[in-house]
Amino acid sequence: NAGVTQTPKFRILKIGQSMTLQCAQDMNHNYMYWYRQDPGMGLKLIYYSVGAGITDKGEVPNGYNVSRSTTEDFPLRLELAAPSQTSVYFCASSSQIGSNQPQHFGDGTRLSIL
Amino acid sequence: GQQLNQSPQSMFIQEGEDVSMNCTSSSIFNTWLWYKQDPGEGPVLLIALYKAGELTSNGRLTAQFGITRKDSFLNISASIPSDVGIYFCAGQKETSGSRLTFGEGTQLTVNP
Repeated sequence: NAGVTQTPKFRILKIGQSMTLQCAQDMNHNYMYWYRQDPGMGLKLIYYSVGAGITDKGEVPNGYNVSRSTTEDFPLRLELAAPSQTSVYFCASSSQIGSNQPQHFGDGTRLSIL
Repeated sequence: GQQLNQSPQSMFIQEGEDVSMNCTSSSIFNTWLWYKQDPGEGPVLLIALYKAGELTSNGRLTAQFGITRKDSFLNISASIPSDVGIYFCAGQKETSGSRLTFGEGTQLTVNP
């Protein structure tokens, strides 16, 4: 059972470089989310999507971009990496809208900006 | 932004002891969720609460949705070493597009 798959698991970037964090889910979920988790902190929402072609900003969207061309994939793009973006990034998905549809999380991408 | 106050931040207990942690908010949530995160992994859902006053159990775990809809607690009975991890509460509103607001976590250490 794959669930939510994130790649890569680890990455080190230099300041100013760009990269795309990949997220794919095989549960046919409409809702997908990107969070970041800083050391000793809870998760903060970066962007989310309620379906293919639709994305919205979360709590901390600055410095990131997303796209949702298919139901399965929700990549997160860093255009100009900054040290403040060093964090662990989690992708999640859930099915139709409603409070009884909990989110399922991937195992995270650990990103360091040096 | 929304904030959930989760306490305690950390706990060190002996195997076999019971554990209690809680979350409070200044605003109302329609759903309360409790997740556990093991090192190097993503959060895994433990218990979901959908109704004010609801008390739900999952094995040795029990959680309650506060009557005011502004708080929730999680109890773990007879702790074992594999209970070690970070426990997060999360609140969800019907109007938020299923977005979750997370607490800052409770780090649990269980000494054998």
